[in-house]
Amino acid sequence: QVQLKESGPGLVQPSQTLSLTCTVAGFSLTSYNVHWVRQPPGKGLEWMGVIWNTGGTRYNSALKSRLSISKDTSKSQVFLKMNSLQTEDTATYYCASLHSSYMGYFDYWGQGVMVTVSS
Amino acid sequence: DIQMTQSPSVLSASVGDRVTLSCKASQNINKNLDWYQQKLGEAPKLLIYFTNNLQTGIPSRFSGSGSGTDYTLTISSLQPEDVATYFCFQYNSGYTFGAGTKLELK
Repeated sequence: QVQLKESGPGLVQPSQTLSLTCTVAGFSLTSYNVHWVRQPPGKGLEWMGVIWNTGGTRYNSALKSRLSISKDTSKSQVFLKMNSLQTEDTATYYCASLHSSYMGYFDYWGQGVMVTVSS
Repeated sequence: DIQMTQSPSVLSASVGDRVTLSCKASQNINKNLDWYQQKLGEAPKLLIYFTNNLQTGIPSRFSGSGSGTDYTLTISSLQPEDVATYFCFQYNSGYTFGAGTKLELK
């Protein structure tokens, strides 16, 4: 059964670094990518970045200078680190394994973790 | 970066109505577009992949179409359980979500 679960602090102080972990089950990180997507309260979805099965990464250009995504394949974990947090970074953060093409889809999301940036 | 523009931002419709949601890309995305449904407090749920393919278990009243820069999600007969926000998502070049269309009952 495919599962993804985000974990991390619910509260981060302004200017500090956010560290989140996505623990996956039911598939291998050597075969599928993992994306991070966030959603501020009452607002839309923002794609943040992806780590591909190969270990390559791609980031949202608006976040690129602050964001890093890495993984530990042996532990089935993907890590997000984002520095210089501000109040506008308050959001629910999702990890998801997404892959669609004309051949089919692989689409699984975590439940999300709410992160509040506040002093 | 590719920009995705969804319209309308809010849509009010009655049960049984045919509903059309639009998503326009800033450049050709070669049908590399999915549609998601998100209900309050839940993670997004994939409805349509690669423009016009229904995910397993999704009711047949949902359909997708489009090409080039213009894409559409249609609900043939709106049901109360369809009240949600709908997002398009392109993966042709990088990845981008649209801002969403909030679908309400009139």
